[in-house]
Amino acid sequence: DADVTQTPRNRITKTGKRIMLECSQTKGHDRMYWYRQDPGLGLRLIYYSFDVKDINKGEISDGYSVSRQAQAKFSLSLESAIPNQTALYFCATSPGYSYEQYFGPGTRLTVT
Amino acid sequence: GIQVEQSPPDLILQEGANSTLRCNFSDSVNNLQWFHQNPWGQLINLFYIPSGTKQNGRLSATTVATERYSLLYISSSQTTDSGVYFCAVDGTGGFKTIFGAGTRLFVKA
Repeated sequence: DADVTQTPRNRITKTGKRIMLECSQTKGHDRMYWYRQDPGLGLRLIYYSFDVKDINKGEISDGYSVSRQAQAKFSLSLESAIPNQTALYFCATSPGYSYEQYFGPGTRLTVT
Repeated sequence: GIQVEQSPPDLILQEGANSTLRCNFSDSVNNLQWFHQNPWGQLINLFYIPSGTKQNGRLSATTVATERYSLLYISSSQTTDSGVYFCAVDGTGGFKTIFGAGTRLFVKA
């Protein structure tokens, strides 16, 4: 079984809809991250959480919110999706003693 | 903020050839990782290498932190090496992982 899982893997939604992407991990890591990747570009950090009570904005947090429900779960929400949020979204984790990050398989989101 | 530049942007190799990918960064870093994104989009950890040299099979990496660059060496390339190679760094001014734009590698059979 994969250590970092993301659901859904693919999603098509309409402009204005609320959508939630979920990330779960069995690695026992304290730190979790959400990134987005646009075609032909590297990843950009949206939010990160170093423990359940610690949530921080990343480089591009506008239009997104997150929830850290437990050590193993970190959800990303788009309150009112817009077409330029069409992208590949990745969740990642790292242990508390290191910043070495491990990525989930990604969620391909299309907003029409 | 810290800038990360990767070169070359694109690379085409014949199977069996060797290559060197470069990552330059504009400021001191605490952490540096190399990733391979395969054609299916999956990101695979290659090296966590804020300094020094590491090897894993046909791949090796060297980071010279004082000169602000890292190199990824691929020897005896295989078609399965195709994909995009990313360098990602965390600056010393607080946590914020910055990815380079990547090197897109295609290995021909």
